[in-house]
Amino acid sequence: AQSVAQPEDQVNVAEGNPLTVKCTYSVSGNPYLFWYVQYPNRGLQFLLKYITGDNLVKGSYGFEAEFNKSQTSFHLKKPSALVSDSALYFCAVIHEGQAGTALIFGKGTTLSVSS
Amino acid sequence: EPEVTQTPSHQVTQMGQEVILRCVPISNHLYFYWYRQILGQKVEFLVSFYNNEISEKSEIFDDQFSVERPDGSNFTLKIRSTKLEDSAMYFCASSPLGMRNTGELFFGEGSRLTVL
Repeated sequence: AQSVAQPEDQVNVAEGNPLTVKCTYSVSGNPYLFWYVQYPNRGLQFLLKYITGDNLVKGSYGFEAEFNKSQTSFHLKKPSALVSDSALYFCAVIHEGQAGTALIFGKGTTLSVSS
Repeated sequence: EPEVTQTPSHQVTQMGQEVILRCVPISNHLYFYWYRQILGQKVEFLVSFYNNEISEKSEIFDDQFSVERPDGSNFTLKIRSTKLEDSAMYFCASSPLGMRNTGELFFGEGSRLTVL
């Protein structure tokens, strides 16, 4: 079964510094990978996705993610963190079931950006 | 901008009672989902729904759960006999296309269920 792992429960960075939130995947076949963000007391919001094509994917709010097939990773990055980026970040992968597909999320990584 | 709306925002119920959580997906969307999140952390897939039937469900979605699209606009999740461990935030999501065509789900703000 397809799955993603987020090895860090929390990432702390100072405002203005680059940030990386890690994600590794385990899939059979071509991976369909996503990043979502959840702000406090809100639903999840789509940030970006990798389906095929360029390994560097750009998304909302200045975020980007790099797909690395050899390392089976899809890390989320931003060159310069903002305090407002503080939130819960989820990596996700499409799971193909017998009857249909579903988006399966990792356990989440809390990003804390300090001023 | 169109959005997914969920009601109620918070429901408190006694163990063993039935609960119905309601969702109004974005109007031109065809695929509907329920997820739940326990303790503000892991987001767990429950069920996906397309063309008036369940297309995929997780192990969590056992016989006490059911979904329905009763009137072409609402999408409901029913929990027949709630248990303490059903306490969670339940999120409804919708998408205009199948997962492989977009992968972008639009989430509501959630319904918090507390089972006492």
